[in-house]
Amino acid sequence: DSGVTQTPKHLITATGQRVTLRCSPRSGDLSVYWYQQSLDQGLQFLIQYYNGEERAKGNILERFSAQQFPDLHSELNLSSLELGDSALYFCASSLAHTDTQYFGPGTRLTVL
Amino acid sequence: QQQVKQSPQSLIVQKGGISIINCAYENTAFDYFPWYQQFPGKGPALLIAIRPDVSEKKEGRFTISFNKSAKQFSLHIMDSQPGDSATYFCAASGGSARQLTFGSGTQLTVLP
Repeated sequence: DSGVTQTPKHLITATGQRVTLRCSPRSGDLSVYWYQQSLDQGLQFLIQYYNGEERAKGNILERFSAQQFPDLHSELNLSSLELGDSALYFCASSLAHTDTQYFGPGTRLTVL
Repeated sequence: QQQVKQSPQSLIVQKGGISIINCAYENTAFDYFPWYQQFPGKGPALLIAIRPDVSEKKEGRFTISFNKSAKQFSLHIMDSQPGDSATYFCAASGGSARQLTFGSGTQLTVLP
């Protein structure tokens, strides 16, 4: 158990809908990273937050957004969902400015 | 370029054998190279990591070899066990945000 929690574990929704994925980092970790894992794209970095502020952006679509709250949990919002958004979404956390990232169990999103 | 190239895509090894997975990177700004192990339905878990100031790091049966001039690094699993059967990802990070750029993954099967 990495200490990173993600909810929900599974999410099934329809095209055009909006969903929110939640991540709670390990106790004391200030950085949260979101990654998408799909068969065709592999594991790709989406966005990073550090202590409530956006720190870096990767291959994140404009339909996707995230935020980190004062208690350091983070939410990834996916809107206008398309079939191609079906994937595993992982969050990872790390201490400030350290390299070791601990991954959560992921949320499996299925868009029908 | 931010790519990390990983090979082979799949690997079958007999119990007790040596598993070798290779990665190559292009971005010379990368300064941290972890390997992650992922079991089906689980998030990636950090296995071992290396920085470019050393050429080899060993932790138990797992060894990373690093060749800075060739921009290549590899994972060696000695005395491979059926419980090692999983997908292995190499990754790299650099810069202030420390987000991970992943290789495409290697599915390792260790036959009993």
